[in-house]
Amino acid sequence: NAGVTQTPKFQVLKTGQSMTLQCAQDMNHEYMSWYRQDPGMGLRLIHYSVGAGITDQGEVPNGYNVSRSTTEDFPLRLLSAAPSQTSVYFCASSYSGSSYNEQFFGPGTRLTVL
Amino acid sequence: GQQVMQIPQYQHVQEGEDFTTYCNSSTTLSNIQWYKQRPGGHPVFLIQLVKSGEVKKQKRLTFQFGEAKKNSSLHITATQTTDVGTYFCAGSGSSNTGKLIFGQGTTLQVKP
Repeated sequence: NAGVTQTPKFQVLKTGQSMTLQCAQDMNHEYMSWYRQDPGMGLRLIHYSVGAGITDQGEVPNGYNVSRSTTEDFPLRLLSAAPSQTSVYFCASSYSGSSYNEQFFGPGTRLTVL
Repeated sequence: GQQVMQIPQYQHVQEGEDFTTYCNSSTTLSNIQWYKQRPGGHPVFLIQLVKSGEVKKQKRLTFQFGEAKKNSSLHITATQTTDVGTYFCAGSGSSNTGKLIFGQGTTLQVKP
């Protein structure tokens, strides 16, 4: 099993550009989520999904869209990139929507917005 | 909304010294999880605590969950250079969702 994969690993955007961060898992996990990590601020939840077709907002959803058409994939879309979105983005998955399940993280995407 | 605070933000220790990081929630938690992130890596699950007053050990690591289920700690005995990294606690106020709120993390540096 590859676990949780993310592409790309690095990305540089100009302000106003849009892009999609890809996330896929091959563990048949129901729950998937997106976090951003900024220095001194830990991991902040952007959006999450408890199953295909179901998504919800986390702590910092503004400027990001998600959809979940399959169990395996959970892409994160930046609609109009801003320098404040410069961050490391992690995708995570867990067996079910219960908070009692450990989360498996992908390797991350390092995004710079100029 | 729910907040999880973690202190200290940074800790530098000499190899062999002990290390403790503390996690405090503004609300009662259903459970708390601990993760470790090596420099340049991604968070990796260490352990989960569920019961009030629970204590769990993993070799040199001791995890505690407070009686009121609003605080937790991770203690490392006799640190080694392999312990270097950032330690995060993550809590949930509800057992019905996977919505975890992470603390800011404690970055541990170990001098050999």
